[in-house]
Amino acid sequence: LAKTTQPISMDSYEGQEVNITCSHNNIATNDYITWYQQFPSQGPRFIIQGYKTKVTNEVASLFIPADRKSSTLSLPRVSLSDTAVYYCLVGDAGGYNKLIFGAGTRLAVHP
Amino acid sequence: DVKVTQSSRYLVKRTGEKVFLECVQDMDHENMFWYRQDPGLGLRLIYFSYDVKMKEKGDIPEGYSVSREKKERFSLILESASTNQTSMYLCASSLLGTSGGISYEQYFGPGTRLTVT
Repeated sequence: LAKTTQPISMDSYEGQEVNITCSHNNIATNDYITWYQQFPSQGPRFIIQGYKTKVTNEVASLFIPADRKSSTLSLPRVSLSDTAVYYCLVGDAGGYNKLIFGAGTRLAVHP
Repeated sequence: DVKVTQSSRYLVKRTGEKVFLECVQDMDHENMFWYRQDPGLGLRLIYFSYDVKMKEKGDIPEGYSVSREKKERFSLILESASTNQTSMYLCASSLLGTSGGISYEQYFGPGTRLTVT
């Protein structure tokens, strides 16, 4: 099972682009990369998922290099409401392996 | 929108009590999950179920059991609560993933903060 490593915390300012990188050196061929967002006292919310190259939706972009040993979640023009914990998750979307959320990255957006 | 509800937001129980945590989802999802969340440890999977009456152990099943008698309902049971089970418990649901496995697009409930004294 691929272990993930993310920064514990990050700070940014309103209007800036934020990039959070997740390292997953032991990612397996069948593994997908998924990111969640969690606000205090709420359950996590699915943001984006990808397998390779780049995925974009209305909330974020996910960049995955060719070797897939890392991935970067990009949040364009953050606002105060983007202050949250962001989790990177790696696992086999077709199997029944245990899913593990790491400690996440605590993003603080300042005025 | 998918709605996942949990029976209580806050619960206080005594050591040795039997505790039931209930979760209901309204989107006809096949998969349901129970996680616990502790500071600095992120979310850890306790059990999941991919069908009625089916269950699979997650990463930390010790001290817990589950029940899924109906598709929309998934219960977590602490047979004899202990203080180290004080935690935030989160239920989630999802459709089946590709190839019939676990989908990574999961929908979470608001959580139950359980305190065992």
